[in-house]
Amino acid sequence: KNEVEQSPQNLTAQEGEFITINCSYSVGISALHWLQQHPGGGIVSLFMLSSGKKKHGRLIATINIQEKHSSLHITASHPRDSAVYICAVFMDMGRRALTFGSGTRLQVQP
Amino acid sequence: DAGVIQSPRHEVTEMGQEVTLRCKPISGHDYLFWYRQTMMRGLELLIYFNNNVPIDDSGMPEDRFSAKMPNASFSTLKIQPSEPRDSAVYFCASTGGGRHNEQFFGPGTRLTVL
Repeated sequence: KNEVEQSPQNLTAQEGEFITINCSYSVGISALHWLQQHPGGGIVSLFMLSSGKKKHGRLIATINIQEKHSSLHITASHPRDSAVYICAVFMDMGRRALTFGSGTRLQVQP
Repeated sequence: DAGVIQSPRHEVTEMGQEVTLRCKPISGHDYLFWYRQTMMRGLELLIYFNNNVPIDDSGMPEDRFSAKMPNASFSTLKIQPSEPRDSAVYFCASTGGGRHNEQFFGPGTRLTVL
């Protein structure tokens, strides 16, 4: 079993829909990272979370440390949101490196 | 700041050749990470450095892989000899030692070993 699990693996939505991507992890973490990878391949950090909720524009990320679960929400989705969204966690207090989920491929159709 | 810089962006080589990938982290960042991305395994950590010192190299696949960080502004990842299964995108990322530890990724090097 992977230490970081994402669902769904693939998601197709219509423009304007509300989208939720889920991430569950099986180990203790110090923080969780949501990343976006566009078809060109570059990776961009969207959020870094250790508790609660963060919002940036149409993107919202939440984390529940007790339940070992995080969600990434996209409101009013747009075709330019089409990308792979990757959840990654910092495992243990002392380690700095990231352990990655397998990613969710999102396609938003106009 | 220009962000994390990697070179080359693309590399095609033949099996058995030596490959060297380069990374310049963001100025002032004291952590540097090398990751590999493949279709089969996704993103994986290879090695990371703190203040130019390797901290965790448990992800380095085998002795054919080596990484160095001779100073705060430069790191290399070397594969010798290269094999077709090393074909992947190699990312370098850096971060400052601050609490939130957000990592900034370079554009990646796409390596193809024939």
